[in-house]
Amino acid sequence: GAGVSQTPSNKVTEKGKYVELRCDPISGHTALYWYRQSLGQGPEFLIYFQGTGAADDSGLPNDRFFAVRPEGSVSTLKIQRTERGDSAVYLCASSPQTGTGYTGELFFGEGSRLTVL
Amino acid sequence: GENVEQHPSTLSVQEGDSAVIKCTYSDSASNYFPWYKQELGKGPQLIIDIRSNVGEKKDQRIAVTLNKTAKHFSLHITETQPEDSAVYFCAASIGRGGSYIPTFGRGTSLIVHP
Repeated sequence: GAGVSQTPSNKVTEKGKYVELRCDPISGHTALYWYRQSLGQGPEFLIYFQGTGAADDSGLPNDRFFAVRPEGSVSTLKIQRTERGDSAVYLCASSPQTGTGYTGELFFGEGSRLTVL
Repeated sequence: GENVEQHPSTLSVQEGDSAVIKCTYSDSASNYFPWYKQELGKGPQLIIDIRSNVGEKKDQRIAVTLNKTAKHFSLHITETQPEDSAVYFCAASIGRGGSYIPTFGRGTSLIVHP
């Protein structure tokens, strides 16, 4: 079946520009996560959705970062006034809900590589 | 918040040898410990996990151990093969309300020489 799909796979932008990154989770997965991965580092948590609402956005580094999931499926990560330090791979993951909650397993997409010049 | 330390950052072994990767965590409330494998250009993929009510779990050539008292856990890969070469991440998370937000270590680059 289809996995988590992220677009674009690569995005090059200039400092100060606005960027949107899209995530299509696995169908039926109610939990959705955004992580950021810098070169040689582990994934760093940004935001977590249960359904349409952001259940935890404590990882967003500042107010230039925002994410939405209006219909509980596709999510968009939005970055305003991009800075060179925002360059990283942005990973999206989804997780299915079982009868007793979530298993804890995250299914990751291949990521969107953002380069800010 | 949770802090996960992972060692070594790079591990080079000969095919057929064993590989061990170690992690420590800081939050004693963490109760779920997954391990992910990431190949070049791909997203991380779960390979094995362990919950806090279990001390050891094995799946074919891979095993994980957990010491809750010491707050450390390890991944063991036996009879390594070249296709095991990848970056491995440990993670720790607290299950709250049935949901999990894992905190990841910095990763171990495993290189298996044929």
